[in-house]
Amino acid sequence: DAEITQSPRHKITETGRQVTLACHQTWNHNNMFWYRQDLGHGLRLIHYSYGVQDTNKGEVSDGYSVSRSNTEDLPLTLESAASSQTSVYFCATRTGDEQYFGPGTRLTVT
Amino acid sequence: AQKITQTQPGMFVQEKEAVTLDCTYDTSDQSYGLFWYKQPSSGEMIFLIYQGSYDEQNATEGRYSLNFQKARKSANLVISASQLGDSAMYFCAMREVDNYGQNFVFGPGTRLSVLP
Repeated sequence: DAEITQSPRHKITETGRQVTLACHQTWNHNNMFWYRQDLGHGLRLIHYSYGVQDTNKGEVSDGYSVSRSNTEDLPLTLESAASSQTSVYFCATRTGDEQYFGPGTRLTVT
Repeated sequence: AQKITQTQPGMFVQEKEAVTLDCTYDTSDQSYGLFWYKQPSSGEMIFLIYQGSYDEQNATEGRYSLNFQKARKSANLVISASQLGDSAMYFCAMREVDNYGQNFVFGPGTRLSVLP
C-alpha cells in the first residue's frame, strides 16, 4: 500500500546542532507539507512544496529549510537547533481535498 | 489573527450521546474548504470529514456530520452516538488559497473525553 513515512520517530539533539528529519511518500503526490505541533497551537505550517524544485515558506519557517529533489522526499533541516524547536513534526501530502499525514517525529532539543 | 477558532479546549460527553465541537473560521476567499481531523493518544492525524464552501448540503460521514453555517462562518462537527474510542483531540482546519495555490490552517484543537 502507498504510504508516508517519517524518520526518525524520536530524536534528541543538542542546541546548535544541525538536524534533518526525513519524509518519504509513495503516493507520487506533488504537494508535500511540514507542520509542527505544539500544545495550544494545533498544527502550524513550516514549509511546503508543490513539486520538484519548488519550496515555499509557511507561517513558522524561521530556522528551518527544505529541499525537493524528487517527488517522494521532502527532508526538513534545522540549521542550528534551538530549544524553541522542541516539538512534534508532521509531514503530509495532499491530493485534491484530502491531506494525508505521516506518523510524526518527536524532536527534543536540549 | 487566528483564522480558525475552537473555543472549547476540552469537552466531556456521555457514551452513546451526541456532541458538537465548535469551529469558526475567518477568510475573505469565496472558495475554501473546511476539514476535521481526529488525533488519538497514539498521535496520528486521521481525516474525518470535508465541507466545500460551495456545497449546499452539510457533509456527513457515518457518525460524523459537519454543521456548516456559511454566513456565520462556522463549521461545527457533530458526532452522534459517541463511543469510548472517540476520545481524542479534534482539529478543525481550513484550506485557503495563496499566491502559489492552497494551504491548510489548523485550529488549536478540542480534547473530547467520552465517559462510560
